Amino acid sequence: AQSVTQPDIHITVSEGASLELRCNYSYGATPYLFWYVQSPGQGLQLLLKYFSGDTLVQGIKGFEAEFKRSQSSFNLRKPSVHWSDAAEYFCAVEINQAGTALIFGKGTTLSVSS
Amino acid sequence: GAGVSQSPRYKVAKRGQDVALRCDPISGHVSLFWYQQALGQGPEFLTYFQNEAQLDKSGLPSDRFFAERPEGSVSTLKIQRTQQEDSAVYLCASSFLRGNEQFFGPGTRLTVL
Repeated sequence: AQSVTQPDIHITVSEGASLELRCNYSYGATPYLFWYVQSPGQGLQLLLKYFSGDTLVQGIKGFEAEFKRSQSSFNLRKPSVHWSDAAEYFCAVEINQAGTALIFGKGTTLSVSS
Repeated sequence: GAGVSQSPRYKVAKRGQDVALRCDPISGHVSLFWYQQALGQGPEFLTYFQNEAQLDKSGLPSDRFFAERPEGSVSTLKIQRTQQEDSAVYLCASSFLRGNEQFFGPGTRLTVL
């Protein structure tokens, strides 16, 4: 079965430091790939997505992600974290050929220290 | 409206009660999804509508869960005879077409006592 793994449950980063959140997926072909952010009491907001083409995708709020087919990974990065980035981050895949809904990882909680 | 809205935002039910959760998708969005998010977990798919047709309900955990979208816009998720394990945040998402970006509502937090 298709699955998404986010190995890090909780990460703490100093404000201004760089960030990388890991995501691995299990699927035979290349799915559509997404990163969402969820702040307390808020809905999920799409940060960025990968469908095809350039494997480095840019998103909102200064985030980027790189798709690596050989590693089945889609890691999220930000060069300099701001305190407002503290939130829950979810990686998700959509198996486009089968037309299923989004499959989410369990999420990574990001804390930002001053 | 500007985004997906859900009501109520919070619902407390006694075990055995029936509840109804409402989702107002973005106007013109054909696809509508319901997800269940348990505490500390990622959202899990429940069901999918294309207009008024429920095309996929494979994620509904039991026959106590029922969803409808009779006119192809507003959707209601109904849970009968609620159990404690139903406690979760229920998220609704809509998209213009399947395969396009899904826009999520703020969710309804259901607590079953």
